Order: sequence, then C-alpha cells, then structure tokens
Amino acid sequence: TQLLEQSPQFLSIQEGENLTVYCNSSSVFSSLQWYRQEPGEGPVLLVTVVTGGEVKKLKRLTFQFGDARKDSSLHITAAQPGDTGLYLCAGVTYSGAGSYQLTFGKGTKLSVIP
Amino acid sequence: EAEVAQSPRYKITEKSQAVAFWCDPISGHATLYWYRQILGQGPELLVQFQDESVVDDSQLPKDRFSAERLKGVDSTLKIQPAELGDSAMYLCASSLNPVGVRAFFGQGTRLTVV
Repeated sequence: TQLLEQSPQFLSIQEGENLTVYCNSSSVFSSLQWYRQEPGEGPVLLVTVVTGGEVKKLKRLTFQFGDARKDSSLHITAAQPGDTGLYLCAGVTYSGAGSYQLTFGKGTKLSVIP
Repeated sequence: EAEVAQSPRYKITEKSQAVAFWCDPISGHATLYWYRQILGQGPELLVQFQDESVVDDSQLPKDRFSAERLKGVDSTLKIQPAELGDSAMYLCASSLNPVGVRAFFGQGTRLTVV
C-alpha cells in the first residue's frame, strides 16, 4: 500500500502571507497530482507533475516534484481568501489493464483570513 | 464542459438498511473510480473499473459493499446492510486513459446512517 503524508494537516493564515504544503511518500510515482476541494464538492485537478525535479506554476501557485518522484510541494504566494479549501495530493501509479490508480493523501485544510 | 453525474446528492438511511448510489461518467472515459471520503480527510479508493472489469477492489468491504459497471458505462455502488461507520461522502470519478491521466470527480453523495 502506497501512503502519502501531507503536512500540515491544518493551516490558517492571514491574507497576503505565503505558505507551503508538503506531500511525502516512500513510494515512487509515475506522476503526482494536486487537487483542490471545496466543501460539498468533488476535488478539482490543479496540476500534474511528471518529471523528477519538475516545477510548474499556476498564477500564484508553484508546484514542485521531488527529484526521486516520491515527494512534492505546493507553494502559494500572497494567499487570498479564495484560496481557502482542502488541498489534496495524489500519487499516480499504473494498475494494469491500461488503467491508472490515484492514491490520495489526507489533505491540508487551508483557511485564508481576510 | 462534460461532467460526472452522481445521484442522489444526499441520502439518509437507517442502519441495517440497503442503500445504492449511481454514477454516470463522462462519455468515453474507460476508467471509473469509487472513493469514500470521511469529512476533512482525503478520498480512499473503494473500487476501480476499466471498462466493465474490476481493476482494484482490494479496499472494498466485500461483506457489505458491492459495485458493478455492467456495460462499461454507468456504475452502481451498493451497501447492504449499512452501518453507522459508513457515513461519509461517496465520490465517483472517471478518467480517459492511458495518456494524460486526469480524474474528473462528481459532486458526490453524502450518506448519513442513523
């Protein structure tokens, strides 16, 4: 069983502050994805990182995949109240028969206070 | 944009009763996932289908849970009998494989067992 550890579990910050969320595992993944989920809704994909060491930027969000493809980080610059939500990382592995499995971490619940 | 449809959106049932959830994935998506998500935590995979075949059901409590995707399109997840600990959000997701893994999630079914 592949486990993904996310930290911190909860994060409450003031608007305008920067933050980093971590996703760690002892397993190697084909790729790693970050999702954002709002209450009462399903997760929505933010980004997929594939290559070890890869860095992707999405406006104020910066995603990095570790060199060994076992860990990842999400950095938010100048957080806004609209960034509030549950951030989930998911490791992607090939599960056979042309299908891929997504294994999720427990998530980081972010609250940005105006 | 095409969406994953789930119904019902909310379900309250008494323990020991049977309950069923329905999911209609995005047209053409071969992979279908059922996840269970306890409030504030990450989704846990229950069962994964590739077309009509089960790829992974290792975490499905088979004494009470069953899932089917008879024609490789829509899917049903059943619990019989329901237990108090089954209260959670049940999420369905679909993905177009094998290139560019991206899971699209439905809004989920919020189950409360009383």
